[in-house]
Amino acid sequence: KAGVTQTPRYLIKTRGQQVTLSCSPISGHRSVSWYQQTPGQGLQFLFEYFSETQRNKGNFPGRFSGRQFSNSRSEMNVSTLELGDSALYLCASSLGGPTDTQYFGPGTRLTVL
Amino acid sequence: KQEVTQIPAALSVPEGENLVLNCSFTDSAIYNLQWFRQDPGKGLTSLLLIQSSQREQTSGRLNASLDKSSGRSTLYIAASQPGDSATYLCAVRDDYKLSFGAGTTVTVRA
Repeated sequence: KAGVTQTPRYLIKTRGQQVTLSCSPISGHRSVSWYQQTPGQGLQFLFEYFSETQRNKGNFPGRFSGRQFSNSRSEMNVSTLELGDSALYLCASSLGGPTDTQYFGPGTRLTVL
Repeated sequence: KQEVTQIPAALSVPEGENLVLNCSFTDSAIYNLQWFRQDPGKGLTSLLLIQSSQREQTSGRLNASLDKSSGRSTLYIAASQPGDSATYLCAVRDDYKLSFGAGTTVTVRA
């Protein structure tokens, strides 16, 4: 079974631009979560989607948004990029229950210049 | 707000020594605790998941314990190898999200 895939793997943008990241979960998984990883703040939760509905949202500004499609694939969007948005963005998928194992993708490395 | 702490932040041991990594959390109302491994610049690999009703999980050379009431978990890696060098992260699951510790970076010297 294929693992979690994320595209693109690397991105370079400039301040003020917007960016869209994509995550394809493991086949059969209906939950997708997004995390931001930076050296200073570590891993922080962005949001979680299940069956196209956002179930939980972390403490990030409204510039960060996401959605999930009917095939469980998910996208996250960051508008008006800031230097501080440079990070590794990880997505995780699971079956969707609170006790299910989370499986992570390889991440998208975003650099904002 | 859930706070997860990992001690030590870094660890260097000679090959063959056993590793002991600690994780503590402030709110015991969790569904489970998961240990991950992360290699530099890579994603997270799940090592072990312990449900809140369990005390222990084992996989090969890895053994993890959970004491929910005291908010502690320990990951033991037996007979360490250079290939075990990585950052190890623990995360607790509550309210449809994972809260992570900052990780323990392990170096196993050949």
